Amino acid sequence: AAGVIQSPRHLIKEKRETATLKCYPIPRHDTVYWYQQGPGQDPQFLISFYEKMQSDKGSIPDRFSAQQFSDYHSELNMSSLELGDSALYFCASSFRLTNEQFFGPGTRLTVL
Amino acid sequence: AQSVAQPEDQVNVAEGNPLTVKCTYSVSGNPYLFWYVQYPNRGLQFLLKYITGDNLVKGSYGFEAEFNKSQTSFHLKKPSALVSDSALYFCAVRDSDNFNKFYFGSGTKLNVKP
Repeated sequence: AAGVIQSPRHLIKEKRETATLKCYPIPRHDTVYWYQQGPGQDPQFLISFYEKMQSDKGSIPDRFSAQQFSDYHSELNMSSLELGDSALYFCASSFRLTNEQFFGPGTRLTVL
Repeated sequence: AQSVAQPEDQVNVAEGNPLTVKCTYSVSGNPYLFWYVQYPNRGLQFLLKYITGDNLVKGSYGFEAEFNKSQTSFHLKKPSALVSDSALYFCAVRDSDNFNKFYFGSGTKLNVKP
């Protein structure tokens, strides 16, 4: 079965640079979620989109933005990167009327 | 506010013994509860969920969880642990008022020893 696809899987950036993370949901899923998981921490909800509209916002810094496109894929844009942004970034997708989220493998971002 | 608590950072159990990973929740409406497992450097994998119905929910890999409304708990259980069950387990609750928001517990590391 098709799963959530995230690219790239690994990304190394320097401070103050920008990064773009991509997420391709499971086919027919209309809702996408972004999470940030720091070392040894639980996933922290950043933002979600339903039918290409932002549906909820969590602890996403102002330096980050995201959107969902017409093909339902989503991109997380991160600017002015800081050392503390180094983390595993997960994307998850679901179909609105069901409840479980299916997670992608994550993108490991390292900021040097 | 909605929240989930996993009181144990780590659970150690011998292979073949039953295991329990604890989770308690706090929600304003009806709870939608989930368990996820995370292997090292991997994404979270869905194990099981409780929405309504039977309090005992069966999931993947032989895991089950018992919903207890009076104790606001949703403990994860397995009758006989395997070494391969060693991983990080997250309990999560979905806000019934806001379908899009998930709250995760802090995670419990399960160590199953041969």
